[in-house]
Amino acid sequence: DTEVTQTPKHLVMGMTNKKSLKCEQHMGHRAMYWYKQKAKKPPELMFVYSYEKLSINESVPSRFSPECPNSSLLNLHLHALQPEDSALYLCASSRGVAVPNTGELFFGEGSRLTVL
Amino acid sequence: GQNIDQPTEMTATEGAIVQINCTYQTSGFNGLFWYQQHAGEAPTFLSYNVLDGLEEKGRFSSFLSRSKGYSYLLLKELQMKDSASYLCALRYNFNKFYFGSGTKLNVKP
Repeated sequence: DTEVTQTPKHLVMGMTNKKSLKCEQHMGHRAMYWYKQKAKKPPELMFVYSYEKLSINESVPSRFSPECPNSSLLNLHLHALQPEDSALYLCASSRGVAVPNTGELFFGEGSRLTVL
Repeated sequence: GQNIDQPTEMTATEGAIVQINCTYQTSGFNGLFWYQQHAGEAPTFLSYNVLDGLEEKGRFSSFLSRSKGYSYLLLKELQMKDSASYLCALRYNFNKFYFGSGTKLNVKP
C-alpha cells in the first residue's frame, strides 16, 4: 500500500460552518504534512507533524486546526473560514528521519475546498 | 518565501530533450527535489539531489550546483504524457519542503 488517502475529495462550506479534512496513510511513515495549493500556484506548507507531534506551523491562521490522532491519521479542522481559503488542500507523508531514506513526500490527491 | 524561481511555461516536441531550470537564493537546505504534477492531480516524486552533480533515473535526470544556486531537470525522449507542471522543492531539516513556482511543460506532436 503506497497510497495517501484524503477525504472528502470535494467540500463546499459556508463561512460559519465547522468541517474537517481527513488524511490516512499505511506506509509506516512518521512525518505527515498539510499543504495548501491555489490554482496555478505551487503547494504552500501549512503544518508538519513528526512522530505525531506538531513540529512546524507556518504561521497559519487559527481557523485551521491540525490534529494527528495516531501515526496513520492526520486531520485538518476548519472553522470560520473565508472565501480566500478556497483551495486544494494536499496531505503528504514521508518516512521520517529515524531510518536513512530519500525522504521524498508522498501526496494524496487532495481535498478541493470551496468556501462560500 | 525561499525565492525559488522557475520558468513559467515551456514547449517542446515529442521525442526531444528539454531542460527545466530552477534557481534559488537561499542556503542551508539538505536536498533539492523535483516533482511532476498533472493538472488536477497530486504531485509525484521524480528525482532528488543532495550533493552537487547529476543524478540519472531513466528518462529523467536532475543536476544540482550549490555554488551556482541552481538545479535543472532533464527530460529525454519526450512523450505526450510528459505534459505537466514540474516543481522543484528545497528541503530543510528533513521535513520542511518549500516549492518553486513550477514550470508548465507542453509537449507537442
